[in-house]
Amino acid sequence: GESVGLHLPTLSVQEGDNSIINCAYSNSASDYFIWYKQESGKGPQFIIDIRSNMDKRQGQRVTVLLNKTVKHLSLQIAATQPGDSAVYFCAEARLTGGGNKLTFGTGTQLKVEL
Amino acid sequence: DAGVIQSPRHEVTEMGQEVTLRCKPISGHNSLFWYRQTMMRGLELLIYFNNNVPIDDSGMPEDRFSAKMPNASFSTLKIQPSEPRDSAVYFCASSATAGRNTGELFFGEGSRLTVL
Repeated sequence: GESVGLHLPTLSVQEGDNSIINCAYSNSASDYFIWYKQESGKGPQFIIDIRSNMDKRQGQRVTVLLNKTVKHLSLQIAATQPGDSAVYFCAEARLTGGGNKLTFGTGTQLKVEL
Repeated sequence: DAGVIQSPRHEVTEMGQEVTLRCKPISGHNSLFWYRQTMMRGLELLIYFNNNVPIDDSGMPEDRFSAKMPNASFSTLKIQPSEPRDSAVYFCASSATAGRNTGELFFGEGSRLTVL
């Protein structure tokens, strides 16, 4: 029979434009929120994280915003490049005595058009 | 620096066979994670170890799955007997948590398993 998989949301942007990828989370007790990038055929790669007591953090070309009131997380990529094309996952982390347990969201496919 | 190393990269096997996936974490990392990725369920945490001790195995699907970490530089994930629904990409990840609070895990390239 036909298999049914996750329907990944897709965001298409023009090269050079800014991208905004959104994520809703459910666990108010999470200590960290993280963004990962996964290119085809590779493992997820860490981009940036933000502590739960912060609302904004900037990295190189990326900014993460956290709105705890509505449980929303976003990743902004400035001047999007073809190399940014990938699936982006948000993740929540609980700090435990024995390591950081991450729970991943379903992902968003970013397509950069030339 | 070598990243997380997984083997095999690809495995095709028949239903009922035993499958062993291997992982070498980054030297100095004290936490190791096994994730499974499928189109149906996305990235699921199966089990994770801290200082070679299993901390949380609540994500392990059933008794057919087992994981070990005999030392700080090696871990295995075993499926016995394998079933077609186990077909997925299995990722190993490691992190250094001592003295650091961060969400950064370092993932391997994954082991793509196909069970016929």
